[in-house]
Amino acid sequence: DTGVSQDPRHKITKRGQNVTFRCDPISEHNRLYWYRQTLGQGPEFLTYFQNEAQLEKSRLLSDRFSAERPKGSFSTLEIQRTEQGDSAMYLCASSPEVVAHYGYTFGSGTRLTVV
Amino acid sequence: QKEVEQDPGPLSVPEGAIVSLNCTYSNSAFQYFMWYRQYSRKGPELLMYTYSSGNKEDGRFTAQVDKSSKYISLFIRDSQPSDSATYLCAVTGGSNYKLTFGKGTLLTVNP
Repeated sequence: DTGVSQDPRHKITKRGQNVTFRCDPISEHNRLYWYRQTLGQGPEFLTYFQNEAQLEKSRLLSDRFSAERPKGSFSTLEIQRTEQGDSAMYLCASSPEVVAHYGYTFGSGTRLTVV
Repeated sequence: QKEVEQDPGPLSVPEGAIVSLNCTYSNSAFQYFMWYRQYSRKGPELLMYTYSSGNKEDGRFTAQVDKSSKYISLFIRDSQPSDSATYLCAVTGGSNYKLTFGKGTLLTVNP
C-alpha cells in the first residue's frame, strides 16, 4: 500500500461549475477525514467517516458540499456551484480507529482554483 | 481567540542552528499534541506526538508540552537544509480525533 491517494492533484474550474475529488485511503484504515487548507493557514476539519458512516460535519461544510464513502472504502468530496472562496487545498487523511489521534496519514491533497 | 495560536514566521536560520517552534492553545481538554511537517505542495506528515505534559525526543527533534501554561514546543537541533518546511502544531482531545491545527511556521535552513 502506497499511502493515501488523492485525485486529481490540481483542478481549475470556472465559478459556478461542480467539481468532485476522490480519496483512496490506506486499505486497513476505517476512519477517513477531509480537511481544507488555504494559503498561510493550517488545515481545517471538514468531515469524517468511520467505515461508510459520516459521523461529523463542520459548519465550514455548507450545503454546496457533500461527501460520501460508499462501502467504507474510497471517498468523494463534491462541491456544487463553486465560488472563488472555495479555492484551497483539499486534504484527505485516514487512520485506524485505534490510535487515530496520532495515526493520521495525509494524502498530498487536491489543489482547487476557482476562476 | 483561536483554539491554537502559532507564530507563522517566516523563520530563517543558518545550517546547524537550534530551532525553537512554539504554539499555545486555549482548551484544557486537549490531551494529545502533535507536530506535523509539510513540504511545499505536499500533505502534512506526522513528526512527533506527545500525550499530556512532558518531553519526547526523537533524534534531532524534541517535543515539549506544558499543560499548566498550555504551551507546546518543538526543538530542532543541528538543523539541516532538508528541514526547510512548514511546521504545524496540532491538538486533539475528543473521541472523534478531529485535529485542530495552528497556522504553521515556515522554516528555512540556509546552507
